[in-house]
Amino acid sequence: EAAVTQSPRNKVAVTGGKVTLSCNQTNNHNNMYWYRQDTGHGLRLIHYSYGAGSTEKGDIPDGYKASRPSQENFSLILELATPSQTSVYFCASGDATGVERLFFGHGTKLSVL
Amino acid sequence: GQQVQQSPTSLVLQEGENAELQCNFSTSLNSMQWFYQRPGGSLISVFYNPSGTKQSGRLTSTTVIKERRSSLHISSSQITDSGTYLCAMEHNYAQGLTFGLGTRVSVFP
Repeated sequence: EAAVTQSPRNKVAVTGGKVTLSCNQTNNHNNMYWYRQDTGHGLRLIHYSYGAGSTEKGDIPDGYKASRPSQENFSLILELATPSQTSVYFCASGDATGVERLFFGHGTKLSVL
Repeated sequence: GQQVQQSPTSLVLQEGENAELQCNFSTSLNSMQWFYQRPGGSLISVFYNPSGTKQSGRLTSTTVIKERRSSLHISSSQITDSGTYLCAMEHNYAQGLTFGLGTRVSVFP
């Protein structure tokens, strides 16, 4: 079974501060994704990556940056955190061969005060 | 509007009852997946790229991609089935999934 690990599990940040959410996968998947989940909106795609050095904008990229320094690691960066970015963030990895199946991490609960 | 529409929004079952969850897609899709999520938990893949009818234990998925619909049938529900069931579609290959808002299932003894 695919293993996707997110850190931290919980984070409290101040408005205007910088926040980095980390994701590590041990399955050598090419593709990785960042989603946020909010009541009434469901899961929405923020950024994704096809491999080391690649980042692509998803459906709601504003206010977020992403970094993929290696096959295993994919970070989501909030340079200037705002209360509207309070949410649960999920990372996922996918094997791009054939129809892609996604494996999700346990999520990071972020509160921006 | 929502590209992935799930119904019902919520469902309350007595243990042992059956249930059917619906998922409809407003655009063309390459594939779809069903996920299960406990409150505060991660997403667990239940059915991946189903076509036609597939069964896994007490869960049965029936998907017709060309008609842009899928259903998830829970038979003989158990308390441990409680949680949210999410369907998601892949519109373009390897560009992420688009999710529905989910069906929250509560099973009581």
